Amino acid sequence: GAGVSQSPSNKVTEKGKDVELRCDPISGHTALYWYRQSLGQGLEFLIYFQGNSAPDKSGLPSDRFSAERTGGSVSTLTIQRTQQEDSAVYLCASSLLRGGANEQFFGPGTRLTVL
Amino acid sequence: AQSVTQPDIHITVSEGASLELRCNYSYGATPYLFWYVQSPGQGLQLLLKYFSGDTLVQGIKGFEAEFKRSQSSFNLRKPSVHWSDAAEYFCAVGSTGGGNKLTFGTGTQLKVEL
Repeated sequence: GAGVSQSPSNKVTEKGKDVELRCDPISGHTALYWYRQSLGQGLEFLIYFQGNSAPDKSGLPSDRFSAERTGGSVSTLTIQRTQQEDSAVYLCASSLLRGGANEQFFGPGTRLTVL
Repeated sequence: AQSVTQPDIHITVSEGASLELRCNYSYGATPYLFWYVQSPGQGLQLLLKYFSGDTLVQGIKGFEAEFKRSQSSFNLRKPSVHWSDAAEYFCAVGSTGGGNKLTFGTGTQLKVEL
């Protein structure tokens, strides 16, 4: 079946603009994660959604970052007033949670460049 | 807090040689451990995982890893490396509660010489 998809694959924006990144998880996966991969910080957890529970936002670096997941499926990560340090690859992953253990399947990522 | 250390930033091996990539973790309980591979411009692909049971786990592409609790290690091995194995390898630990969000190591870049 189809894997995790993300759009756009590349996004170039100017400092101060808002951007939206989209993630389509694998159908039926209840858990969805956003990670960020940057040269300075490596791979970092950002936010996690599980079913109808309140999301775990503990990894979001500032209040300029937010995410939502509509209908338990598609998720959008929004970055407001982008800064150059937001330049990174944003990765989405989804999984089926079974007793706390799960395998996360990653999308190809969105490369964000803030000029 | 959980953490992962991959002490080797870059490793170069000859094609056909054996490979071992090191990973040490810090976690208060029995961890969930993963190895992912990332080729240039690609997302992360899971090579193998350890949740419980047999401490030697087999993965895709001929990779294996051994969980050693006494050493807090989960090293990745392959008996004979192929040129197509050149990529970046990430070790990760997942929390056993709260959704298993992953903490990644800084990665090891593998170069394969022909």
